[in-house]
Amino acid sequence: AQTVTQSQPEMSVQEAETVTLSCTYDTSESNYYLFWYKQPPSRQMILVIRQEAYKQQNATENRFSVNFQKAAKSFSLKISDSQLGDTAMYFCAFMKLSYSNTGNQFYFGTGTSLTVIP
Amino acid sequence: GAGVSQSPSNKVTEKGKDVELRCDPISGHTALYWYRQSLGQGLEFLIYFQGNSAPDKSGLPSDRFSAERTGGSVSTLTIQRTQQEDSAVYLCASSLPTDSPSYEQYFGPGTRLTVT
Repeated sequence: AQTVTQSQPEMSVQEAETVTLSCTYDTSESNYYLFWYKQPPSRQMILVIRQEAYKQQNATENRFSVNFQKAAKSFSLKISDSQLGDTAMYFCAFMKLSYSNTGNQFYFGTGTSLTVIP
Repeated sequence: GAGVSQSPSNKVTEKGKDVELRCDPISGHTALYWYRQSLGQGLEFLIYFQGNSAPDKSGLPSDRFSAERTGGSVSTLTIQRTQQEDSAVYLCASSLPTDSPSYEQYFGPGTRLTVT
């Protein structure tokens, strides 16, 4: 079974500073995807960034980047130049590819609540 | 374009009553997922639909939970004889077929269910 662990229930960062959210996972799969989703108080889950396991290059989306360490099964999210709108719950997710009727199976961590302080 | 919509946004019900939660996926998305998000927890997978195939019900927590998807589009999640532990946010997500190169799930805003 796949498990996703986010060991930081809450974090805070000063506006314009950089913060890193940690995520580790456990799997025996070799082909999978990793995601970070953001859930603001509106409850709308929004995809922040995606990483394919077969790619060694770390994904980057504007101020968001990941540090993907496949051997260590670690997938941390770095937010640079933090903005007030980054305040949200952040979920790390692991996706196991499947072509059966069970579909692509997603496993989510318990989330990290990030507060950006003005 | 229109995203995933869910209704109602909030639902308060008395213990023992039945509730129906609705999800409208993005047009063209054949895959549909239901999750439960309890306070302080991550997302718990409930059920998955892919097109007209039989759903994967492996995540349903009890036989009080059921779901259907009519015409491969709209889905309803039904909870019978609700219990207080059913209180949670129920999220629906849709995505392109599993053999699509895009694996992103698009989430709806969720339904907050409170059982009193």
